[in-house]
Order: sequence, then C-alpha cells, then structure tokens
Amino acid sequence: EDKVVQSPLSLVVHEGDTVTLNCSYEVTNFRSLLWYKQEKKAPTFLFMLTSSGIEKKSGRLSSILDKKELFSILNITATQTGDSAVYLCAVEKNNNNDMRFGAGTRLTVKP
Amino acid sequence: GAVVSQHPSRVICKSGTSVKIECRSLDFQATTMFWYRQFPKQSLMLMATSNEGSKATYEQGVEKDKFLINHASLTLSTLTVTSAHPEDSSFYICSAHRGNTDTQYFGPGTRLTVL
Repeated sequence: EDKVVQSPLSLVVHEGDTVTLNCSYEVTNFRSLLWYKQEKKAPTFLFMLTSSGIEKKSGRLSSILDKKELFSILNITATQTGDSAVYLCAVEKNNNNDMRFGAGTRLTVKP
Repeated sequence: GAVVSQHPSRVICKSGTSVKIECRSLDFQATTMFWYRQFPKQSLMLMATSNEGSKATYEQGVEKDKFLINHASLTLSTLTVTSAHPEDSSFYICSAHRGNTDTQYFGPGTRLTVL
C-alpha cells in the first residue's frame, strides 16, 4: 500500500525561525516528489524533485530528496507570517501519473 | 489514516461523450469535497467545492453546466464532464475535509484523455 507521511502535522514558530518539514514515502513506481503550499484554495506548486541529493532552492525555501532513505525535507529560513499555510507533499507515480498526497503540515508563523 | 479513493483511475473517451468520476472517502464522513484539475508544471486549479446535500460552489471560469458535481452522500462526490472535448483532457483530483478539521485528504487522481 502506498504511503506518504508528513511530519510534524502542525508547527508553530515565531518570525525569523527556521523550520524543516519532513515527508517520507513508500510508493511503487516512484516518478517524482512534489511540494505544495496551500493557503486558501488550490495548492500552489513549490518544487518538483526527481533526483537524490540535488537541492532545489527558491528564495528562503529549499528542498532536497533522498531516494535511498525515501524522504524529502522542505526548509524555510527566516520565516515570515506570510509563510503560514499547509505544506503538502505529494508523490507522482510513473504508471498513470497517479499522485499520493500526504496529510500536510500546518505551519503557523507568529509575529 | 484517512483514505480517499477515485474511480476510475484512468479513462479514455471519444469527443462528445460524458464521463463520470467518483470520489469516495472510505473511512470518514466528508461534508465538503473539493475538485481540482492539474495543469502543466504540476499546478493545481480548484474547480469547485462540493457540499453534501447542497449545490456545489464553482470557481470563476469553471462552467457548471459542463462540469456537473453531485455530492449525494457524506462519502461520495461525483464529477461529470459533459460533452467532453480534447481540451478537457487532464488529471482530475479530489480531496475531502474530514469532519470539523481543516485537513484535506487527497484522492489519487483520475487521468482523463478525450480523443
């Protein structure tokens, strides 16, 4: 059975803190791992990771994938209140492009 | 953990036909379900919010007569793509809110190909 597990489920930090969100997976026919940020409506795409050990970076956000240990982390440095959201991890599969989403991590950044 | 299923996982149909996609919450009751469509570069667009026992709320630009949504029970919502055209070919994903929580549980998606 495919699994995508995110931790922690929720996290409260103060502005300026650095956070690390975790996503572990057990999925057959792995194709890629995706990170999304969901504030109100549709999740906003952040990163797609396909290769191990290659960090993807966008501003204060960065992510890396470990295909041997089957996990990915999303780092956010110098957090701001605008970073408050649910961060979703999803694994895309090769066959049929099925996606398996984790339950998300709810991040709250306090002023 | 909460499980959401979609059926079918893949469907190929001819232009002009209608296709129904089911979204089920298998081990919890979902008063609210959401339908998304995936666009290139992995972006997801919210199409509509489906509430059990009432009409769906469609996002701007989504034709309600073309994408019919029915949320007949607390565990089932359906999306019917009517008179499908090749441009409707996409990956459709549903998610369900569990009870009074904010957590959304996503289904595995349905790949629609319209020939």
